[in-house]
Amino acid sequence: AQSVTQPDIHITVSEGASLELRCNYSYGATPYLFWYVQSPGQGLQLLLKYFSGDTLVQGIKGFEAEFKRSQSSFNLRKPSVHWSDAAEYFCAVVGDSGGSNYKLTFGKGTLLTVNP
Amino acid sequence: NAGVTQTPKFQVLKTGQSMTLQCAQDMNHNSMYWYRQDPGMGLRLIYYSASEGTTDKGEVPNGYNVSRLNKREFSLRLESAAPSQTSVYFCASSERYGQIHSGANVLTFGAGSRLTVL
Repeated sequence: AQSVTQPDIHITVSEGASLELRCNYSYGATPYLFWYVQSPGQGLQLLLKYFSGDTLVQGIKGFEAEFKRSQSSFNLRKPSVHWSDAAEYFCAVVGDSGGSNYKLTFGKGTLLTVNP
Repeated sequence: NAGVTQTPKFQVLKTGQSMTLQCAQDMNHNSMYWYRQDPGMGLRLIYYSASEGTTDKGEVPNGYNVSRLNKREFSLRLESAAPSQTSVYFCASSERYGQIHSGANVLTFGAGSRLTVL
């Protein structure tokens, strides 16, 4: 079964600093990977997704993520964090082998705090 | 704006009471989902409906029932609420179930329904 691990429960960065949120997945075949963001009291919004092709994908709000098959990772990055980026971030994976693997499996989330 | 609408946003129940969470989407999506979100647990799938007329269990279906009323609406029912069902519930929809390559599986989420069971 597929699974996602986000090793960092909570990260604090200063505004203007760079950010990297880690995500590791477990899936036997080609994974399809997503990052979602959840602002306080809101639903989840898609930041970016990786299906195939270029392993560096660009998303909304200046975020990017890099797929590294050898490390089973899909880390999210941003060069300069803004206070409005404070939120919870979820990595997710879906498989392509039918049945239950079509459903999205989420990591437990990383809460980002941004200090002024 | 088009999207996924959930009602109610907040609800407090006593143990043993029943209630239904409503979800509607206006994007003409075929597939709909119910998730629950608990601190430190991420989102876990309760039930999903790949298309109108079908429903299937997800990861944590016990204590819940669902109805795909029509293409737009997908409701979640708690027949006899328990404190363990205190959670934030999210409805989501996608264009299609499967079809990963086309991106048709990407989920759009509602704003959530916070349920407390005393």
